[in-house]
Amino acid sequence: DQQVKQNSPSLSVQEGRISILNCDYTNSMFDYFLWYKKYPAEGPTFLISISSIKDKNEDGRFTVFLNKSAKHLSLHIVPSQPGDSAVYFCAASETNDYKLSFGAGTTVTVRA
Amino acid sequence: DADVTQTPRNRITKTGKRIMLECSQTKGHDRMYWYRQDPGLGLRLIYYSFDVKDINKGEISDGYSVSRQAQAKFSLSLESAIPNQTALYFCATSQGSAGNTIYFGEGSWLTVV
Repeated sequence: DQQVKQNSPSLSVQEGRISILNCDYTNSMFDYFLWYKKYPAEGPTFLISISSIKDKNEDGRFTVFLNKSAKHLSLHIVPSQPGDSAVYFCAASETNDYKLSFGAGTTVTVRA
Repeated sequence: DADVTQTPRNRITKTGKRIMLECSQTKGHDRMYWYRQDPGLGLRLIYYSFDVKDINKGEISDGYSVSRQAQAKFSLSLESAIPNQTALYFCATSQGSAGNTIYFGEGSWLTVV
């Protein structure tokens, strides 16, 4: 059973608007969360992470929000750009267990 | 040049054949992983190794084996390939002292016919 779930397989957004990607997890021991971005024919690349001691982490246009009580995190991309069109994977781990559990991914398409 | 290199990048093989996917890294990381990507299932861990003498099964290790030949090399073998092993395979690395972020290779497409 998947411990990390991304329930929206796809998201279409207009250039310049906000993209919001959601992720839910079931394992309460997870305390470190990451987002990866993947272009076709390339490997996933690390985008942004957050530790459970925080509820928000920002890096440029990308912000990740963590709601521990709801076991939910989200990635906001503002403003969305055509180059953001990719598959985004949510991942989670326990601090002392360096294996990552991944969600199924959300394909983002940014329309011009 | 990529820090994590996988060979071959694409391979078509027949059911029952043995196939090996190789991974080498120049990042100097101690930890290496093999993941598999399937549509709708995301990335699932096959095997991982925290150093040369350490090999661990992931969530979907059946039908696979691995070898950590050196700190920089980690190979994945399918002893007798079957069609449901058709997938995109990723090698990844991380540094144990640097947290949980892992770094992926470019992937190897394997088709079993």
